[in-house]
Amino acid sequence: GENVEQHPSTLSVQEGDSAVIKCTYSDSASNYFPWYKQELGKGPQLIIDIRSNVGEKKDQRIAVTLNKTAKHFSLHITETQPEDSAVYFCAARAFTGFQKLVFGTGTRLLVSP
Amino acid sequence: DAGVIQSPRHEVTEMGQEVTLRCKPISGHDYLFWYRQTMMRGLELLIYFNNNVPIDDSGMPEDRFSAKMPNASFSTLKIQPSEPRDSAVYFCASRWDGMNTEAFFGQGTRLTVV
Repeated sequence: GENVEQHPSTLSVQEGDSAVIKCTYSDSASNYFPWYKQELGKGPQLIIDIRSNVGEKKDQRIAVTLNKTAKHFSLHITETQPEDSAVYFCAARAFTGFQKLVFGTGTRLLVSP
Repeated sequence: DAGVIQSPRHEVTEMGQEVTLRCKPISGHDYLFWYRQTMMRGLELLIYFNNNVPIDDSGMPEDRFSAKMPNASFSTLKIQPSEPRDSAVYFCASRWDGMNTEAFFGQGTRLTVV
């Protein structure tokens, strides 16, 4: 089955810096890659997603890149703000077969003012 | 829509007691998922339903865990008997059918078994 690895587990940056979180996946059939943000005491919320026919997607300060050949994808946050502090999860899912969304282990991002 | 609604938000119970967690998915969603989140194991998929039918329960840790979806608007996750190692946050999520659609999560139920 699918296995998703995520790095780093914790990331501390200064406000205004960029943050990059990287994930790798194992199942070449995976074709949907969402990123979730989880704030304390809340459930994960989708912040951006990318499909396998696209190499990059951007939404204001966040962007995601996908390299299908290497089976890795990354989340980029520019001009970080304290409210970006949260746990971020990457995930992968294949459209065919069991449509399980497999999550990475999470990255705790801390943005210091 | 109010989103995915879970109850209770917090549950403290004694070891050996039965625990029932409840979930109301977003109206019209075809898929419902139960996840467990712990520090050690992260987010684990326990079971998921498609059109109220259980599709994959390979993540259910043992026979003490069971889940039902009697109709499109309600699901339960039951633990009987509960053990301290079941302490975790349990999330329910739902989504529409279709290619690459987003899963919406509830607020979770924090379960503590003492």
